[in-house]
Amino acid sequence: QKEVEQDPGPLSVPEGAIVSLNCTYSNSAFQYFMWYRQYSRKGPELLMYTYSSGNKEDGRFTAQVDKSSKYISLFIRDSQPSDSATYLCALGSGNTGKLIFGQGTTLQVKP
Amino acid sequence: GAVVSQHPSWVICKSGTSVKIECRSLDFQATTMFWYRQFPKQSLMLMATSNEGSKATYEQGVEKDKFLINHASLTLSTLTVTSAHPEDSSFYICSARPGEGAKNIQYFGAGTRLSVL
Repeated sequence: QKEVEQDPGPLSVPEGAIVSLNCTYSNSAFQYFMWYRQYSRKGPELLMYTYSSGNKEDGRFTAQVDKSSKYISLFIRDSQPSDSATYLCALGSGNTGKLIFGQGTTLQVKP
Repeated sequence: GAVVSQHPSWVICKSGTSVKIECRSLDFQATTMFWYRQFPKQSLMLMATSNEGSKATYEQGVEKDKFLINHASLTLSTLTVTSAHPEDSSFYICSARPGEGAKNIQYFGAGTRLSVL
């Protein structure tokens, strides 16, 4: 069993839709939860960071963490074609700074 | 803030030559930098972790003599692919962690596409 599971998609939605991206994990030691967005042939860009259960909102993006279920989500409201990218969840623990990445979900938002 | 610059963005080289990739944190000091490799349509694979002034820690299966990492200062790390071969062709990405208080956040460079002929 992988430490982090993420549906690779691809996920295709019409412009304006609400998108839900999810990751599940098995190790309860994970304390830090991040979402990165990666455009084709570019480095990942940090979108959201949280370290506690609950919701965190930033503009059209909401990150949700449920530590009891070992489940994290990223919601994108009013999706735009510019949101078309691969979204990676990343989890960390301890002081090494290492992150464990999900496989990435490819999202396409059609105009 | 939190900008990481990676250079070059694309390099083509002949088999047997060495290639150096630079990773710089432009507006913060990075106690730890990471080097990843990414194959098409796959996630990031951690190659090594480097701390300023000490030897890099390589992940299992990564040849340390093939992929030389130097973290000479708090803002610069380099990855040298020695005697590159076509199988080393890949997308290499660096990241930097701005201190232990940053709770594992990593900021990434734009990546380097290496093509070995």
